[in-house]
Amino acid sequence: DTAVSQTPKYLVTQMGNDKSIKCEQNLGHDTMYWYKQDSKKFLKIMFSYNNKELIINETVPNRFSPKSPDKAHLNLHINSLELGDSAVYFCASSHRTGAAFFGQGTRLTVV
Amino acid sequence: DQQVKQNSPSLSVQEGRISILNCDYTNSMFDYFLWYKKYPAEGPTFLISISSIKDKNEDGRFTVFLNKSAKHLSLHIVPSQPGDSAVYFCAASGGNQFYFGTGTSLTVIP
Repeated sequence: DTAVSQTPKYLVTQMGNDKSIKCEQNLGHDTMYWYKQDSKKFLKIMFSYNNKELIINETVPNRFSPKSPDKAHLNLHINSLELGDSAVYFCASSHRTGAAFFGQGTRLTVV
Repeated sequence: DQQVKQNSPSLSVQEGRISILNCDYTNSMFDYFLWYKKYPAEGPTFLISISSIKDKNEDGRFTVFLNKSAKHLSLHIVPSQPGDSAVYFCAASGGNQFYFGTGTSLTVIP
């Protein structure tokens, strides 16, 4: 069973569209994250949720809105997609202390 | 401002020899450090970690060393195997998030 799963793995969409990426973890972790890996391969935190509450919201355009319906899910919705949003987005989860486990990533391409 | 740095973008090692990957950090408040391995088109996979109260942690072929005074950690892989070829990310835990280095691409030559 996949511990952290995110869908879709690949997403190609036009500028201006709205899209969502879903993430689910079955590890019983209380904290979930969204990371963005840019063209330079740097992994940068976007959001962090603990027990469904937003605890980190880095400098991310408010076109990006995370939603955590329960502790096992953290979805990412992106409005009005721009070319610069093209990147690989990773979902991860952890206990408050402990290693983070990552999903397989979603490669978003905005054309 | 990058708080975790991996200054070597790539490393090549002969099979059977030791691979040493290095990482430096700037924030003395970090209390937990991790190494991740990443293959193309996959997510980072947790490899090994170390708490700031220790200076060494070993798991099979993998050993992580922490030098707090130098704010430096390293990952030793011995013996290196071709399947170890991947990108290795160093990470530090602090402030409800993980801070990542930019990765070192390891190639183990058969």
